[in-house]
Parts: sequence; C-alpha cells; structure tokens
Amino acid sequence: GAVVSQHPSRVICKSGTSVKIECRSLDFQATTMFWYRQFPKKSLMLMATSNEGSKATYEQGVEKDKFLINHASLTLSTLTVTSAHPEDSSFYICSARVGGIGGRYNGGYTFGSGTRLTVV
Amino acid sequence: QKEVEQDPGPLSVPEGAIVSLNCTYSNSAFQYFMWYRQYSRKGPELLMYTYSSGNKEDGRFTAQVDKSSKYISLFIRDSQPSDSATYLCATMFSGGYNKLIFGAGTRLAVHP
Repeated sequence: GAVVSQHPSRVICKSGTSVKIECRSLDFQATTMFWYRQFPKKSLMLMATSNEGSKATYEQGVEKDKFLINHASLTLSTLTVTSAHPEDSSFYICSARVGGIGGRYNGGYTFGSGTRLTVV
Repeated sequence: QKEVEQDPGPLSVPEGAIVSLNCTYSNSAFQYFMWYRQYSRKGPELLMYTYSSGNKEDGRFTAQVDKSSKYISLFIRDSQPSDSATYLCATMFSGGYNKLIFGAGTRLAVHP
C-alpha cells in the first residue's frame, strides 16, 4: 500500500532554533499534502495544505512565517518550524491523498507516523 | 458548533465486549465518512470509509452512517486488547482534494 515516510520521529531542540520535518511519499506521487498538529489527547488540527509547485494554503490562525512549508516535488514536502519556542512543542503529522479514479475519493488518505517536537 | 462532535471518552470495556463509537456532524453536504485508529505516538490509520448513508462491514468492524440524523457509528465486535487506541471519525465533502474534518477522537481501552 501507499506509504508516507516522516522524519524525524522525535526531535528535541533549543528555544530559538529551527527544525525541519520531512514527509516523503514512497511509492506514489503526492500532489497534495496536509500538515496537522496534535496536542496530547486532542484531535488533529489542520495547519496547512501544500500543493506541489505552489504556495501552501494555511488555516486561519496558523502563522505562515513560523511554519514554513515547501512542496518542491511530487514526493517530498517539508515543514520547518522557525525560531521554535516551548509552545511549539507538539506532535506534527503529515498526510497525503492517494489516487482515486477521476478524483473520486477512495479512502486513500495516508498518514505519516508523526514527529514529536520538544522545544526546551 | 463544531463541524464534527465526538465524545473523547475514555471508554473502558472488557475483552470480548461490543464497542459502539459515535459522532455527529453539522453539515448535510458532507458525503464521505471515515474512521481512523491511532495508537499512541503514531499517525492515524484508516479503518473504514463510507460514501453517503448505509452500512459497511469489515471483519469485526462495522461502520454506519445515517445522513437523516447526521450520525456516524463504528461498532467493534469481540473487542481485543489490541483494539485499545484512539478512534477518530472524519468527514469531507465530495469531489476534489478536500481536507478531512476530524472529530476529537475517543480513547478506547480494552482490558483482558
């Protein structure tokens, strides 16, 4: 089946530094990738939608300059948390839609395994 | 009002019990309905999806959608300790690469 590989799985960084999270679609082309944030015992909050070759669309309240998204190829999307602070500590997850004949949904959203970011 | 409402639980049941998980949604235009399972510190994995109203069965899992009452259900028969996870309902509109809209997730614990 379609796999999205997400790295790193866990990262600890100092306050003020930047962290890059990568998501790669291993056996399919991901035209669109979604980035989520999840707080402990809470649901997934969509941060942004990234489309290959164009600017990401951010959800209301998400800082574009803090959470930089790049989707330069059909198999790679990255999220960079810039000048990270302790309040940015969270679980970040990417997701890509897989196929679907004529764009028809076939249940094919696949998720990465997530990145636990801790800012100290 | 949230677009998708889901009781976060936690829900604790003995092994072998039938589990019923539920969500309600507000927008009648939603067409696709999904259930995801998420183990701790992992990404969600798709369990089942349904288009419009009706039932869908896969092994011990049954998904039901009642569009008239805007109600989504997931039933787990003969629950196992390995079913212990957070279950997220999700929905989306028909057509295009639309975003998923998730419920809060229900934490389920199945004890031996």
